[in-house]
Amino acid sequence: EAGVTQSPTHLIKTRGQQATLRCSPISGHTSVYWYQQALGLGLQFLLWYDEGEERNRGNFPPRFSGRQFPNYSSELNVNALELEDSALYLCASSLVGDDGNTIYFGEGSWLTVV
Amino acid sequence: AQKITQTQPGMFVQEKEAVTLDCTYDTSDPSYGLFWYKQPSSGEMIFLIYQGSYDQQNATEGRYSLNFQKARKSANLVISASQLGDSAMYFCAMREGETSGTYKYIFGTGTRLKVLA
Repeated sequence: EAGVTQSPTHLIKTRGQQATLRCSPISGHTSVYWYQQALGLGLQFLLWYDEGEERNRGNFPPRFSGRQFPNYSSELNVNALELEDSALYLCASSLVGDDGNTIYFGEGSWLTVV
Repeated sequence: AQKITQTQPGMFVQEKEAVTLDCTYDTSDPSYGLFWYKQPSSGEMIFLIYQGSYDQQNATEGRYSLNFQKARKSANLVISASQLGDSAMYFCAMREGETSGTYKYIFGTGTRLKVLA
């Protein structure tokens, strides 16, 4: 069974540009979570989508946005990129209501803003 | 206030020895879950072990066990017979909001484990 897949693996953008990161959850999972892990910092919660709706949002500015598609895949968009947006962006999925509700992570997308 | 606290930013352990990574948590939810994840230098997050708040027995998964002390609100990870490949960052996490269905995951700041040959 395929795990959570993310693309691209690496992305280099210049300041002010927009970045789009994609995530496909594990088959059957309806929840997708996005996290940012900047260098030297822990995981910062960004967004949670379930059944196509945004359920929760972390303490990030509005230029961080996303959506979940009918097939439960998700996009994270970061507008007006700033240098401090350089980080590893991790997507995770889970099946709400499943025993344990364990979230499974993708391999991440490395975003570098220059 | 920190809801998940990992007080050890870095740990060293000799190969083949056991090591305990500390995690304490704070929640008022009666039902919650506790998790440990391993993050190698590649950045991916690997699920290791899960403990439900109502589970009577400590969770075990191979060389990993979770020392769950509910009254102390601690969920320490024990790795037995450490291997060089265990060198990584380890995150403790809690899922709360199970009663209300809001399901919020909170992560600790991590502990970097280095296994010495």
